[in-house]
Amino acid sequence: ETGVTQTPRHLVMGMTNKKSLKCEQHLGHNAMYWYKQSAKKPLELMFVYSLEERVENNSVPSRFSPECPNSSHLFLHLHTLQPEDSALYLCASSQDDRKGGYTFGSGTRLTVV
Amino acid sequence: AQKVTQAQTEISVVEKEDVTLDCVYETRDTTYYLFWYKQPPSGELVFLIRRNSFDEQNEISGRYSWNFQKSTSSFNFTITASQVVDSAVYFCALTVNTGGFKTIFGAGTRLFVKA
Repeated sequence: ETGVTQTPRHLVMGMTNKKSLKCEQHLGHNAMYWYKQSAKKPLELMFVYSLEERVENNSVPSRFSPECPNSSHLFLHLHTLQPEDSALYLCASSQDDRKGGYTFGSGTRLTVV
Repeated sequence: AQKVTQAQTEISVVEKEDVTLDCVYETRDTTYYLFWYKQPPSGELVFLIRRNSFDEQNEISGRYSWNFQKSTSSFNFTITASQVVDSAVYFCALTVNTGGFKTIFGAGTRLFVKA
């Protein structure tokens, strides 16, 4: 158990579907992150929330919509995705958004068909 | 601009061999943090070590050791007497403050340890 829990572990969705990824941490961390990991590419930071406010959005297409209702939960809402969006989506948290030292979840393996 | 380069895409060793994973970083910041993470087949990245730019002391933790050299902008990771359980992808990362702290990951090095 890593302290950061992501659900579901695997998701297959059609391009017209709407789905959400969920991330939960009870480590008392103040910052949460969504990363995308594609094959043979470095991890791509998508969104950063610090104290429940979005502090970074790395030019992510609007078909990805994050939500952070409280410091323990982070969602990534997905709609009208493309096959190239298939990847491992990792959630992470840290004590604050400085210094790194993340705790990562196990990820959601997303396949868009 | 900041950059992290892990030139070794894949490394394959036989159990009990020592192996060094290279990491070279670029930044103009004088204050920064360096990290290594391990990603086993299960998927989650596991934090291994954090180093700040003012602490060049090398560190050893069991079979793991890290060599931080500011002169060459490198933060290399050595596994001594490798084991099959060390098989994973290892990521080096750099955190800098560019109007907000930002972490940049290297592309990762996949390590295969064969029995």
